[in-house]
Amino acid sequence: KQEVTQIPAALSVPEGENLVLNCSFTDSAIYNLQWFRQDPGKGLTSLLLIQSSQREQTSGRLNASLDKSSGRSTLYIAASQPGDSATYLCAVISGSARQLTFGSGTQLTVLP
Amino acid sequence: NAGVTQTPKFQVLKTGQSMTLQCAQDMNHEYMSWYRQDPGMGLRLIHYSVGAGITDQGEVPNGYNVSRSTTEDFPLRLLSAAPSQTSVYFCASSRTGGSYGYTFGSGTRLTVV
Repeated sequence: KQEVTQIPAALSVPEGENLVLNCSFTDSAIYNLQWFRQDPGKGLTSLLLIQSSQREQTSGRLNASLDKSSGRSTLYIAASQPGDSATYLCAVISGSARQLTFGSGTQLTVLP
Repeated sequence: NAGVTQTPKFQVLKTGQSMTLQCAQDMNHEYMSWYRQDPGMGLRLIHYSVGAGITDQGEVPNGYNVSRSTTEDFPLRLLSAAPSQTSVYFCASSRTGGSYGYTFGSGTRLTVV
């Protein structure tokens, strides 16, 4: 059974810092890995999708890497802003029915 | 493009009542799924479908029923609501093939009293 772990569970940083969120998964037989953002009381917004054959993806200040063989992904956020405050969820797509398995998330607070 | 649309956004039910949570997507996605999100438990898969007429159980299927008569719609039925089904429910869809991710609806917040 696929299991996804995210570290840290919570993170508080001052504005402007660069930061790294970690995600690990137990079964390396994945199709893709997807990072989401969730604001309080809201739905999930897709940030980045990394296909299993890729090593990284970038979107603006966000960069996600994937090391499938070691079962790890990192989300790098450059020059953090208060508007980045949210919960960040990592999910892997695996299995015959391409199911999503989620980590429990990292709650990020960026202090002005 | 509307994406994935869920209705209602909020619902309060009494124990024992039944209801249907609606999910519709206009992207011609083959895969559709239902998740529930609970504090401390994360997002857990309830049921999923890989195409019209094909459904299967996820991690927490008990108390829920699904059907998929069209590509666009994937309703989730609560047969006899229980307080343990108080949660936020999300519907998601994806295209088939290895290069696609999932798109989520905005969720339904359900309270069972």
